[in-house]
Amino acid sequence: GEDVEQSLFLSVREGDSSVINCTYTDSSSTYLYWYKQEPGAGLQLLTYIFSNMDMKQDQRLTVLLNKKDKHLSLRIADTQTGDSAIYFCPGNSGNTPLVFGKGTRLSVIA
Amino acid sequence: GAVVSQHPSRVICKSGTSVKIECRSLDFQATTMFWYRQFPKQSLMLMATSNEGSKATYEQGVEKDKFLINHASLTLSTLTVTSAHPEDSSFYICSARGQENYGYTFGSGTRLTVV
Repeated sequence: GEDVEQSLFLSVREGDSSVINCTYTDSSSTYLYWYKQEPGAGLQLLTYIFSNMDMKQDQRLTVLLNKKDKHLSLRIADTQTGDSAIYFCPGNSGNTPLVFGKGTRLSVIA
Repeated sequence: GAVVSQHPSRVICKSGTSVKIECRSLDFQATTMFWYRQFPKQSLMLMATSNEGSKATYEQGVEKDKFLINHASLTLSTLTVTSAHPEDSSFYICSARGQENYGYTFGSGTRLTVV
């Protein structure tokens, strides 16, 4: 099954760009996702990318996918304090459930 | 967009009692629903997968007699924690998937505290 690894913590200053990285083991996923979880809340789907794409941009968010290296990244431009949260990049194989890594806790310093 | 409603958002119950958590897909039919559990500062751990009209598939180590899952319709799945103990205290989150593969929508979670 899918296994996801990501760094646990990231701290950036307000207004700077944040880059959150994920590596995954299974390359059969059709879609790759980025979810945001604020304290005590559920998960919010931020964006997703088709596995046959290299890049997807959605306002302040840019997703880069390197299938060869099994590497996925999320860039947040002009990071705001409201972006402070835990970010997950779950994967799945075909129709299986999403498998979550430990998440990256993004702290934005004002 | 796809919306999943989960309630209650918070519940406190006494040891030995049962608690039911509901997960509803509001504007789409959820052929499959998933139940996760999350401990503080931990990742989401999949508990079980439920398909409408059939028995849930539980992950290894999850007691099916303790965590009863019912998915009686395409818009509703319930998780009942039976004979709750303090160690069952956790954050429970449901997820529903519609027809499209990208449609993994999550509920807002339920904070269960067993005293």
